[in-house]
Amino acid sequence: LAKTTQPISMDSYEGQEVNITCSHNNIATNDYITWYQQFPSQGPRFIIQGYKTKVTNEVASLFIPADRKSSTLSLPRVSLSDTAVYYCLVVLYSSASKIIFGSGTRLSIRP
Amino acid sequence: NAGVTQTPKFQVLKTGQSMTLQCAQDMNHEYMSWYRQDPGMGLRLIHYSVGAGITDQGEVPNGYNVSRSTTEDFPLRLLSAAPSQTSVYFCASSYGGLAGGQVIDTQYFGPGTRLTVL
Repeated sequence: LAKTTQPISMDSYEGQEVNITCSHNNIATNDYITWYQQFPSQGPRFIIQGYKTKVTNEVASLFIPADRKSSTLSLPRVSLSDTAVYYCLVVLYSSASKIIFGSGTRLSIRP
Repeated sequence: NAGVTQTPKFQVLKTGQSMTLQCAQDMNHEYMSWYRQDPGMGLRLIHYSVGAGITDQGEVPNGYNVSRSTTEDFPLRLLSAAPSQTSVYFCASSYGGLAGGQVIDTQYFGPGTRLTVL
């Protein structure tokens, strides 16, 4: 299984762009990279998913270089409500239902 | 749609007791999973199911049983509760693993069940 590594915690300020990088050296050709967000006392919530290059939706962007050994979640102009834990996952093409979470990055946004 | 519902929200058990955590979804999702989350840690996969009648083990299956008799329901049974099973349990469902050659895996999580085993 591809193992992910991401920073334990990050701090930033309101209005800043936040980039959280995840390494996944052992990713297989058809596996996908997915990010989830979790607030205290809630289940995780899907943010974005990608395979290569760049994916953008209404809340975030995901940058994946050509070698796919890492990915970066970009949150534009964060607010206090973006304080949460962010999980990077590799979803196995061969077993898409068996989703393994890592330890996550605890993001704290200050005024 | 109610989404993914879990009952109970809170439960306290004594060591050795058994109980069933209920999970239901009304989105006609094929895939359902159970995770546990210990304080300050990420989620660990207990069991998952790719459809009615089909289940498989995740990372930490010992001490837990599951069955999937219908698409909607995926109960998790604790056979003989132990203090090490004190945790928050999350159930999740997703539309499907593959569609058009691409992974469709957006998982929808329930609100969780906070279990304490004394």
